Amino acid sequence: QKEVEQNSGPLSVPEGAIASLNCTYSDRVSQSFFWYRQYSGKSPELIMSIYSNGDKEDGRFTAQLNKASQYVSLLIRDSQPSDSATYLCAAAVKHNAGNMLTFGGGTRLMVKP
Amino acid sequence: EAQVTQNPRYLITVTGKKLTVTCSQNMNHEYMSWYRQDPGLGLRQIYYSMNVEVTDKGDVPEGYKVSRKEKRNFPLILESPSPNQTSLYFCASSRGASGRGEQYFGPGTRLTVT
Repeated sequence: QKEVEQNSGPLSVPEGAIASLNCTYSDRVSQSFFWYRQYSGKSPELIMSIYSNGDKEDGRFTAQLNKASQYVSLLIRDSQPSDSATYLCAAAVKHNAGNMLTFGGGTRLMVKP
Repeated sequence: EAQVTQNPRYLITVTGKKLTVTCSQNMNHEYMSWYRQDPGLGLRQIYYSMNVEVTDKGDVPEGYKVSRKEKRNFPLILESPSPNQTSLYFCASSRGASGRGEQYFGPGTRLTVT
């Protein structure tokens, strides 16, 4: 089992709808989780970080962490065509004396006008 | 402006010719790391550094070297590049030494080895 897994999509939603992106993780993963947005050919851009169980809201974005079920999700409200991108779920994994960031394969989101 | 910079942004080279990709950050971050991104394989960590003179291998370190002589710089060295190192490379940095914090990525270096 991969340490961080995502459905590759594409996930298609109409403009103005809520987009729901999900990610599951293995037992090896530590307690830091991140959502990045990546446009084609560009670098990952940090959208949200979440460290504790529950919800965290920032503008149109809400990250949800459920440690008991080992999943983390990202909700995008009022989706816009400019939200069309690949969304990467990442988690810090213990590695020797430090931590490494492990990424899921990404979910491609398409927001249709 | 707080940022991570990489140079060069694009590089085409031949097998066996040593090259260095530079990475620099102006945020006084302790943690720096290198990733490669390949279609179907996603982002994978090559090396990371928790502070000056402290480096460790990531998931795919073979064929790469790094050094961290100054806090702001973390160059990636390919001593003898091969075609399977053709990829998109990203440098990133994070506050704190643990690597559990938010990482900020540079713009990427697209490397082609022929």
